[in-house]
Amino acid sequence: AQKITQTQPGMFVQEKEAVTLDCTYDTSDPSYGLFWYKQPSSGEMIFLIYQGSYDQQNATEGRYSLNFQKARKSANLVISASQLGDSAMYFCAIVNSGAGSYQLTFGKGTKLSVIP
Amino acid sequence: AAGVIQSPRHLIKEKRETATLKCYPIPRHDTVYWYQQGPGQDPQFLISFYEKMQSDKGSIPDRFSAQQFSDYHSELNMSSLELGDSALYFCASSLGRGALLYEQYFGPGTRLTVT
Repeated sequence: AQKITQTQPGMFVQEKEAVTLDCTYDTSDPSYGLFWYKQPSSGEMIFLIYQGSYDQQNATEGRYSLNFQKARKSANLVISASQLGDSAMYFCAIVNSGAGSYQLTFGKGTKLSVIP
Repeated sequence: AAGVIQSPRHLIKEKRETATLKCYPIPRHDTVYWYQQGPGQDPQFLISFYEKMQSDKGSIPDRFSAQQFSDYHSELNMSSLELGDSALYFCASSLGRGALLYEQYFGPGTRLTVT
């Protein structure tokens, strides 16, 4: 079984500052993928960034970067230069292909609030 | 670019009624996933289909059934609705197997309210 733990139920960040959202995972499969999704109050699930277990470099997508520490089973999301529109729920998720199942397992999420 | 389409976007039903949610994947995508997200909860995997065959099953109640049709759209049928079924239902689609399968694209969701 795989598991995602997000220990920060809520976070505040000043506009234009950087913020790190924590995510740790647990899986016994050597092949897996890690995702971050953003869910604004409107409800849609927006894909932000992906990191494969065999990727040598940390993933980056614009203002988003993933701090992947495989030995610590950690996949923290870093948002640089926060904007008011970044206020949302953020979910970390894992997909494990070892058992032939490609379902996403999500963490409980972190609610990020950006302060002007 | 075309995205995943879900209909209806909002649905209000009474207890014990039946509901059908529809999902139209991105063109050429052959895999569909259904997730349920209760109020204040994380999304939970329900069921998935690959090439019109059920490929995996999660925490889907026996009152629910789903299928994928020849045009790859999928329907989630929910019977004997309960108050606890009130949730946001997401459909996601992906293409094939391997690395590309990791890229699941989510639809906007159907918000079901059971009264």
